[in-house]
Amino acid sequence: EIVLTQSPGTLSLSPGERATLSCRASQSVSSSYFAWYQQKPGQAPRLLMYGTSSRATGVPDRFSGSGSGTDFTLTISRLEPEDFAVYYCQQFGTSPITFGQGTRLEMK
Amino acid sequence: EVQLVESGGGLVQPGGSLRLSCVASGFTFNSYSMSWVRQAPGKGLERVSGIGGSGTATSYADSVRGRFTVSRDNSKNTVYLQMNSLRAEDTAIYYCARGGVGVISDYWGQGTLVTVSS
Repeated sequence: EIVLTQSPGTLSLSPGERATLSCRASQSVSSSYFAWYQQKPGQAPRLLMYGTSSRATGVPDRFSGSGSGTDFTLTISRLEPEDFAVYYCQQFGTSPITFGQGTRLEMK
Repeated sequence: EVQLVESGGGLVQPGGSLRLSCVASGFTFNSYSMSWVRQAPGKGLERVSGIGGSGTATSYADSVRGRFTVSRDNSKNTVYLQMNSLRAEDTAIYYCARGGVGVISDYWGQGTLVTVSS
C-alpha cells in the first residue's frame, strides 16, 4: 500500500498570503494518477487538481500543483477567505487507492 | 449534470447489517468504475471499496474485506454497498464517488451517515 504523508498537519495563514502544502509518498507515484481534494465542513470532498497539475473544472488559477515521484505540492498563490478548508492528496494509480491524512488550512 | 445520491444510512447495532445505495445520473453509468469512500467523525478519507463498470472487478480495503460487498445494477444506474457484521469503527459518512483505480474520482455524492452503536 502506498502511504501518503501530508505536511504540515495545520497551516495558519492570512488572506492574501501564499500557501504551500506538501504530500510525500512511501513509493513512487505516477504523476498522471495523483490528485488533490478540498473539503469544507459539512461538505463532500471536491476535486481540485488531477494529473498532478491539471485544475478541475471551475478551480481558480491561484491553485497550482507540481511534483513527481514521491514529492508533490499544492500551492495557493494568494489565499481567499473561501480557501480555508482541509486538503487531501490522493494516489489512484495503484490499488488500494490511498489518501493523505489531510492538511487543515486555517485563518490566522 | 452529473449527480450521485446516496441513501440507506442510519443507526445499527454492532453485528448488524445495512445496505447503502447510490443512484447516478447525468453520465453513461456503465462506462465508469465507482468507489465507496468513508470518513469517520473528525477523521480523514478511506476508500473502502470499488467496482468496475461491468461489475465483474471489485476491490476492498483490508478493514472491510469479508464483511462488505459492493455490487451494481447498471439497468438502474445504482451501486450498492452491503455492510455486514458492522462494528463501532465502521461509524462514518459514506460517500459514493465516480471513478476508481486509474480513473479520477471527479464527482462525489453528499454522503450518508452510518452509526454503529448499541
